[in-house]
Amino acid sequence: GNSVTQMEGPVTLSEEAFLTINCTYTATGYPSLFWYVQYPGEGLQLLLKATKADDKGSNKGFEATYRKETTSFHLEKGSVQVSDSAVYFCALRPQGAQKLVFGQGTRLTINP
Amino acid sequence: NAGVTQTPKFRILKIGQSMTLQCTQDMNHNYMYWYRQDPGMGLKLIYYSVGAGITDKGEVPNGYNVSRSTTEDFPLRLELAAPSQTSVYFCASRADRGTGFNTEAFFGQGTRLTVV
Repeated sequence: GNSVTQMEGPVTLSEEAFLTINCTYTATGYPSLFWYVQYPGEGLQLLLKATKADDKGSNKGFEATYRKETTSFHLEKGSVQVSDSAVYFCALRPQGAQKLVFGQGTRLTINP
Repeated sequence: NAGVTQTPKFRILKIGQSMTLQCTQDMNHNYMYWYRQDPGMGLKLIYYSVGAGITDKGEVPNGYNVSRSTTEDFPLRLELAAPSQTSVYFCASRADRGTGFNTEAFFGQGTRLTVV
């Protein structure tokens, strides 16, 4: 079946630190991959996406590369800010499907 | 732009009561979804719809019902509330054509439901 496994949280970093949140997936064919972010008290917002192998999604200083060989889509940011504190969800949409499959989420806290 | 609007934001139900969670979107999206978010568990798909008059079960449909009489509205019905349905519920919608981020799911702010 299709599944997404994310790095266990919570993650706490200092401002300007380098961020990596690991995400690996299981899927048949060629799924599309996503990172969603949920700020406190809000719904999920799409942060970035990649639709084929070796694609790099990027937005707001965050990046993730679709690695077919390692079935991974790790989220990175070079210098985090307090405003990046949120819960981050990795997700996939199986090839040809209309539904998203989510990981369990990683809570990120950035301290000034 | 309103996007996806969910009501209510919070609700406490007693065991056995029923309620309807409302969801409406103003983006003319064909696809709509209901998810529940349990602590540390990510989001699980309850029901989804690919257009007015068409609905289908997701991963965890038991205890819920949906209808889709219009493109805009996708209400979720709980008939006999149980403590296991305590969760945060998210509605989402998605276009079936377009490019870039516009083709991906937009989420409402969520409804926090507690069953006691």
